[in-house]
This record gives sequence, C-alpha cells and structure tokens, in this order.
Amino acid sequence: DAGVIQSPRHEVTEMGQEVTLRCKPISGHDYLFWYRQTMMRGLELLIYFNNNVPIDDSGMPEDRFSAKMPNASFSTLKIQPSEPRDSAVYFCASSHRGTSLGADTQYFGPGTRLTVL
Amino acid sequence: AQSVSQHNHHVILSEAASLELGCNYSYGGTVNLFWYVQYPGQHLQLLLKYFSGDPLVKGIKGFEAEFIKSKFSFNLRKPSVQWSDTAEYFCAVNPDGGFGNEKLTFGTGTRLTIIP
Repeated sequence: DAGVIQSPRHEVTEMGQEVTLRCKPISGHDYLFWYRQTMMRGLELLIYFNNNVPIDDSGMPEDRFSAKMPNASFSTLKIQPSEPRDSAVYFCASSHRGTSLGADTQYFGPGTRLTVL
Repeated sequence: AQSVSQHNHHVILSEAASLELGCNYSYGGTVNLFWYVQYPGQHLQLLLKYFSGDPLVKGIKGFEAEFIKSKFSFNLRKPSVQWSDTAEYFCAVNPDGGFGNEKLTFGTGTRLTIIP
C-alpha cells in the first residue's frame, strides 16, 4: 500500500488567499484525521471522520477552516481566508475501525508544510 | 479534559546511553496508550502501543514502555540508544477505550538528540 498520501507537500501563499489541502487515506481505513503541528502548540487534532462523516470538529480553530470527505478515498481541508498564524505542518492520518478496546494505530501522511506570508 | 504531559522537552544523550522518556496522562478511566516517533523531516510512525494485558510493551527498534496505572504513566525506554534514534517522540492517549471514540490526545513531544 502507498500509505496516506497528502498534497501538496509544500504550499506558500499570501494572506487572504484560499488554501486547499488534500488527503488520500489508506484503502479500507474507516477513520480519517486532520492534525496541525506547530512549535508553539505541538500536534493538535482539528477534525476526524468516520465513514466519511465528521465525528468531532471541536479542534477546528475557527470558521475559516472547513473539512470535507466526499468519499472514502479523499478528504480536503480548506482555509479561507488564510492568515500568517495558520502557518504550520498539516498532517492527515487514517486508521481502521477500532476494536472494542478502543482506537487503533493511526497512520500518518507526510504532511503539508503551509506558509502564509 | 484529558491531557498528556511530556516533561522532558529536549534530551541529549551519547550513543549507548540508556533512555527513559516520561509520559503522564490525566484521565481516570480506561485508556489506550501509544508512542509515536517523528524522524527529522518525516511523518509520525508508531513505535508501540498498549491496549490491555502485560503492562510492559515491546515495540520496534528495541524500544519498550511500561504502563503504570497507579502513576498514570507510560514511560518509554531503550537500554542503549543509537545515533539513528535522533527524533521527536510523542506520547498519545485514547481515553474511553471502546467503539466510537478514536480520538488521540498527543503530548507536546520530546526531542531526542543522540551524540555520536
């Protein structure tokens, strides 16, 4: 399997522009997660989906952020309008359905390094 | 809300030294515990995980971790580190073990630097 695929790997944009990050989870995985990693705040969960349905979006910082999962093999995270404080590495991760014991291993993609000027 | 504490922000060791990275969590119920590693410029990878059973868990690359429920801890250990272990290490907790809650709470990470 190719693992979790994210694009683009690097994105540089200007403040106010719309940014769309893309993720293809591992085939057969039921869960998809979006994280943001910064030096100041570490790794934060933004939102996660189960079977394409958003389950918990309490980590989404504000209305400028939105995420969709139109099908089992594709998800987007959109920032509109972008701001310099959104600069971070954004990771997508996927996992198979957890067992009765709880969450199973999450497999991370390579991340998208976003720089907003 | 649950939280995960990794008190060591940056650890510097010489090759062959023994390693122990601390991880404490604040949640009184059932938990699943994970250690992930992020090598420079790479994505996070699973080192090991604990769901139930033997509280001493062995992972890849000679790492192990011990779950001590009474101390709410899940410290990571390796008896002899190598230069290639230079990376950032993240502890993560999944509270409320069971169907329906797949959320992981991550610690802030510990940067490990191994000096040859």
